[in-house]
Amino acid sequence: GQNIDQPTEMTATEGAIVQINCTYQTSGFNGLFWYQQHAGEAPTFLSYNVLDGLEEKGRFSSFLSRSKGYSYLLLKELQMKDSASYLCAVNGGSQGNLIFGKGTKLSVKP
Amino acid sequence: ETGVTQTPRHLVMGMTNKKSLKCEQHLGHNAMYWYKQSAKKPLELMFVYNFKEQTENNSVPSRFSPECPNSSHLFLHLHTLQPEDSALYLCASSQDRGRATANYGYTFGSGTRLTVV
Repeated sequence: GQNIDQPTEMTATEGAIVQINCTYQTSGFNGLFWYQQHAGEAPTFLSYNVLDGLEEKGRFSSFLSRSKGYSYLLLKELQMKDSASYLCAVNGGSQGNLIFGKGTKLSVKP
Repeated sequence: ETGVTQTPRHLVMGMTNKKSLKCEQHLGHNAMYWYKQSAKKPLELMFVYNFKEQTENNSVPSRFSPECPNSSHLFLHLHTLQPEDSALYLCASSQDRGRATANYGYTFGSGTRLTVV
């Protein structure tokens, strides 16, 4: 079956660093995505990993280990506006559609 | 604005009503998707259209009926819904089906918040 796990909620302090983990078991793998979704808004693309290693993009970085079925999203220098849900999604399965986790709701506190 | 526009943003309907959700994109994408987002559940894929043809129906009840008249527009027709159908309905598009890469990632609309009473 297809399964993507990530923590339901996390809390962090403004200016700190937070790591959101994602583990997956899918029948296929053609890349892993992280999306950010503010309440009432569209999910927006943050990062894409298809090879093992770390992809850095400003304050956000994403890591992938295909052998472990594991990824994390690292957010540095947290800002209040980073309070949102973070969705892990895998391009897997026979149809190549995105399979989503339940999302991690991050609350950034002063 | 993401490039994918959904209307209405909010909809309240009775169980005997018929309504339609609309999605429009002018990104030149050929694939469009309907997702359902319920509280504490993952995004659930409902339907996939590729070049106007339905390529996937994820065991969705017949009270949800999609329509894709062209590559830029996608509708979800609703009738005799149940209270458990209340959710956020998200439309997305991509270059084409299955090609969700860094260059061809999904673009989502802001969704329609549906409440069935």
